[in-house]
Amino acid sequence: RKEVEQDPGPFNVPEGATVAFNCTYSNSASQSFFWYRQDCRKEPKLLMSVYSSGNEDGRFTAQLNRASQYISLLIRDSKLSDSATYLCVVGGSNYKLTFGKGTLLTVNP
Amino acid sequence: ETGVTQTPRHLVMGMTNKKSLKCEQHLGHNAMYWYKQSAKKPLELMFVYNFKEQTENNSVPSRFSPECPNSSHLFLHLHTLQPEDSALYLCASSGRLASEETQYFGPGTRLLVL
Repeated sequence: RKEVEQDPGPFNVPEGATVAFNCTYSNSASQSFFWYRQDCRKEPKLLMSVYSSGNEDGRFTAQLNRASQYISLLIRDSKLSDSATYLCVVGGSNYKLTFGKGTLLTVNP
Repeated sequence: ETGVTQTPRHLVMGMTNKKSLKCEQHLGHNAMYWYKQSAKKPLELMFVYNFKEQTENNSVPSRFSPECPNSSHLFLHLHTLQPEDSALYLCASSGRLASEETQYFGPGTRLLVL
């Protein structure tokens, strides 16, 4: 099983759609969880951290299920500017972060 | 945004060349990282420095040689690279060395080895 596995994508959705990204991780000792966003030919940037209680930031909602070792990101009312690659990132008991391959999202007008 | 800067942004080099990548962070962070991002592959951690001391060498070939003269600067010296080393090399920094810390990335150096 890959350390961090994401939906392979790509996702093509119309503006206003709701889109969900799924991610699973193999290390049950993982302690920190993030979604990063990477625009085309740019660097990754933190979108949001993911907490066990779930968290929301505007149109973005992240969920964590430790028992299933599963992380999700939901984007509501998608905008053209949401087009990017979304990276699922998991941190262990040390300082290392493990990145998924990413899922490319294209929001179409 | 100029929190983490990298130079050069693009680099083409032959297999016999020697070149260096530079990273500078203006965030007052103590930890710095080098990552490699190849097409269709996840980011791979290469090296980690904490308070300018190397804490991680993730089985990186010796043709990649890092240097961290202080907490704000990080270099990656390249020599006798192979075409498969062509990739985007990203520098990142974080306030401290902990997985829950946000890592801030530079824009990367896109390297092509001919």
